[in-house]
Formats: sequence, structure tokens, C-alpha cells
Amino acid sequence: EVQLVESGGGLVKPGGSLRLSCAASGFTFSTYCMNWVRQAPGKGLEWVSSISYSSSYIYYADSVRGRFTISRDDAKNSLYLQMNSLRAEDTAVYYCARSQGIGNYYFDSWGQGTLVTVSS
Amino acid sequence: QSVLTQSPSASGTPGQRVTISCSGSSSNIGINTVQWYQQLPGTAPKLLIYSNNQRPSGVPDRFSGSKSGTSASLAISGLQSEDEADYYCAAWDDSLSGYVFGTGTKVTVL
Repeated sequence: EVQLVESGGGLVKPGGSLRLSCAASGFTFSTYCMNWVRQAPGKGLEWVSSISYSSSYIYYADSVRGRFTISRDDAKNSLYLQMNSLRAEDTAVYYCARSQGIGNYYFDSWGQGTLVTVSS
Repeated sequence: QSVLTQSPSASGTPGQRVTISCSGSSSNIGINTVQWYQQLPGTAPKLLIYSNNQRPSGVPDRFSGSKSGTSASLAISGLQSEDEADYYCAAWDDSLSGYVFGTGTKVTVL
């Protein structure tokens, strides 16, 4: 069974940093692209970032480019999101999701999400 | 910021057919495939439709998707109480080099 489990969320002050993790199991992690999608409280879904297998291709939403860094460790079956210079508008539940590619592909499995709250 | 536009809400009685629309542009829906995600209250999103009109295994055939030009639609026939959820369309945007989601539609079963 495919499982994606996010962790690392919490309360952080504006300007602070946080590192999210996503532990994957039940599939060959190294052969899948991975993604982060977030959802602000009471709002819709917003794509954040994607990373291809072997980390050859990385994409970011304009809203996070230059502040967030996506990475993966295939040996640990883990996906990461390093979030720096956090702002109040980054407050959201962050989901990791897998896809078979980037572009005309879809997110076929999602984690349960981890909540990030940016507040003083 | 949502690039794909959906009507905020839709409703119907059990057994009725409900249709949700998703409007995009030539850089996303116009040239790429559309996905639909269902988000039940308090849960993570779930893939409902991929490649415009394909259902993953386990998704009832009451759900169907279509695409025409720069718009897409999701139809739910034989509406059931468990279909009450938020529905989002999504597509890759070549201009943005990123995925874009719809604004979301809340489906209520009366």
C-alpha cells in the first residue's frame, strides 16, 4: 500500500525557517516524481513545487521561488521542503503527493498533510 | 493564486446529475490534460479523474470528465450523499512552468 507521511510542521515566526519531510513507502520511491501542494485555512489548493526522479528537474511556484527548496533522498525514501523567510501567507497545510512525471501527469497519491503556521 | 476558474458551489438531490465547470486558457487546459481531485471534509485530496476523462481504479463510473478547448467539466450522475465534497480541477501551465489548480467547487447534496 502506498503511504506518504508528512512531518515537520509547526508554529514559526515570520522570517523564520522550517523543514518539512515526507516519508514514502509501498512503492519504488526513486522512480517517481514528487510534489508539494499546500492549502491555506479555508482556501483552495495551491501547487508549491515539484522534483523529478534523480532530481534532474525542479520547479517552483512564483510565490515560493527563492525562499523554498525542494529535495529528495532516494536512499531514505524521503522528500523534503526547506522553507526560509517564511511569511504569514505561507500558513497552510502542506501535502506531499507523487506523480509519474512532471507536466501532463497527475498526483495519484497524497499524504495526510502537515500544518505550518507562521505567526508572531 | 488560482488560474483555473470554477463556480463556487453546486448542489442537487440524491440521484440527480450535477456538472462542474473549469475554465482555463491556451497555456494550460488548451494544450494539456485536466485532472480532477475530490476533497472530502477534513481529508487530503484524492485523484478522481486524470487525462481529461480517465478514472483511477476504485472510482465509481458515476464520475465522468470531459474537455473542450480551454474548458473542462466534471459530471456526477446519480448523486449520493457521500459525494458531498470540494472538487478541484488542475492542469500543467506551460507559461508558468507549473501546475495550476481551479478555485474549487463545493458540492452539496440536498
